[in-house]
Amino acid sequence: AQTVTQSQPEMSVQEAETVTLSCTYDTSESDYYLFWYKQPPSRQMILVIRQEAYKQQNATENRFSVNFQKAAKSFSLKISDSQLGDAAMYFCVTPGGSEKLVFGKGTKLTVNP
Amino acid sequence: DTGVSQDPRHKITKRGQNVTFRCDPISEHNRLYWYRQTLGQGPEFLTYFQNEAQLEKSRLLSDRFSAERPKGSFSTLEIQRTEQGDSAMYLCASSLNFRGTEAFFGQGTRLTVV
Repeated sequence: AQTVTQSQPEMSVQEAETVTLSCTYDTSESDYYLFWYKQPPSRQMILVIRQEAYKQQNATENRFSVNFQKAAKSFSLKISDSQLGDAAMYFCVTPGGSEKLVFGKGTKLTVNP
Repeated sequence: DTGVSQDPRHKITKRGQNVTFRCDPISEHNRLYWYRQTLGQGPEFLTYFQNEAQLEKSRLLSDRFSAERPKGSFSTLEIQRTEQGDSAMYLCASSLNFRGTEAFFGQGTRLTVV
C-alpha cells in the first residue's frame, strides 16, 4: 500500500527566512506525480506544487520548490522568503493507485513576524 | 464558477441519526472524491466518482455510508445510524480527468456526533 511519512508534526520559521518540510513516500507505481497541498486555518486545501516522477528537474513555483530524490523516495518542500500567509498545514501527497490521493499526516507551519 | 462548494459547513447530530452532505463540484470536472479528515490527521480517501459512476470505495466506507452522484453533477454522502467515531471533517474534491491533475477541494462539512 502507498504510504506517506511526514516526520515533522510542527515547524516554525521567521518571516523572510527559508524553511524545508520533509516527506518520504512509498509507492508501487512507476509513473506518478507527487504533490504538496496547503490547508490554511479554516480554509480549503489548495495545491502548492506538483512534481512528475519521470522528470529529473525539481519543480519550482515562485517561492516554493521541491527536492525530489526518486531513488530515496524523498520529496521535500522548500519555502523561501516565508510570509505570514504561508502559515498552514502542509500535506505531502502521493497517488494511491487508481485515481485516489494518499496524504501524509501533515506539518503545521508557523511563521513568526 | 466559485469552486467546489459543500453544504452544510457544520452539522451536529445525535448518535443514531442519519445525515446527508452535499457537494457541488466545479462544473466541468468529471472526477469527484470524498475524503474524511480527523483532527491532527491528513485526509483519508472514502470514495471516487467519474461522472455518475462510483469507481472505487475505501474499506473505511462501512455499510452505513452511501454516496451518489446522479447525472454526474452534484454528489451526496449519507451516513446512517451515526456513531461518535463518525465525527470528522468530510471533504469533497473535484478534478479533470487526466493523470497528475490538480484536485480542487471544498471547505468541508464538519460533523459532530453527540
